Amino acid sequence: QKEVEQNSGPLSVPEGAIASLNCTYSDRGSQSFFWYRQYSGKSPELIMFIYSNGDKEDGRFTAQLNKASQYVSLLIRDSQPSDSATYLCAVKYGGATNKLIFGTGTLLAVQP
Amino acid sequence: EPEVTQTPSHQVTQMGQEVILRCVPISNHLYFYWYRQILGQKVEFLVSFYNNEISEKSEIFDDQFSVERPDGSNFTLKIRSTKLEDSAMYFCASSQQGGVTEAFFGQGTRLTVV
Repeated sequence: QKEVEQNSGPLSVPEGAIASLNCTYSDRGSQSFFWYRQYSGKSPELIMFIYSNGDKEDGRFTAQLNKASQYVSLLIRDSQPSDSATYLCAVKYGGATNKLIFGTGTLLAVQP
Repeated sequence: EPEVTQTPSHQVTQMGQEVILRCVPISNHLYFYWYRQILGQKVEFLVSFYNNEISEKSEIFDDQFSVERPDGSNFTLKIRSTKLEDSAMYFCASSQQGGVTEAFFGQGTRLTVV
């Protein structure tokens, strides 16, 4: 059973701080890793994806991947109240599959 | 900016009735997906569709479910005989390619079975 694990939170950070969201996955054959943001009652919105070990930066967001530890994280710099949402980690495994396996998501609350 | 659109946004149906959920994927995308999210739970994969056929389906996608691309733009999910436990948000998604490419989600259809 391929699993994606996230701490459900809530993770509470003050405005302007760095929020760190973590995700682990069970299958070493995993190919690519996606972070989505989901506001309550809305659809997942893609933030960024990563498939190589190391860091990938996009604006205030940095994704970090460590395949040896089967660990992927998302850092949000200068957190804003509008960043308050559930952050979903999704994994695409290798081979012929294109499906995403989602974690339960981490609820982030940015306090003004 | 291109986006995936879904209709209707909310559908209420009686148990045992058939429903069709509709999606218009992003125009140059080749891979189409349906996911669902029961309230308070994970987003779950249902089915993927490529080159006019199902490429993969989950255990959830049993005989009561079917998908179709009836024309060059629409992608539909049919649930033949709805059950109470089919109540969920259903998301359509599309991606330009398979492999290491991102999938973009529509705004979802909230299905309520009563």
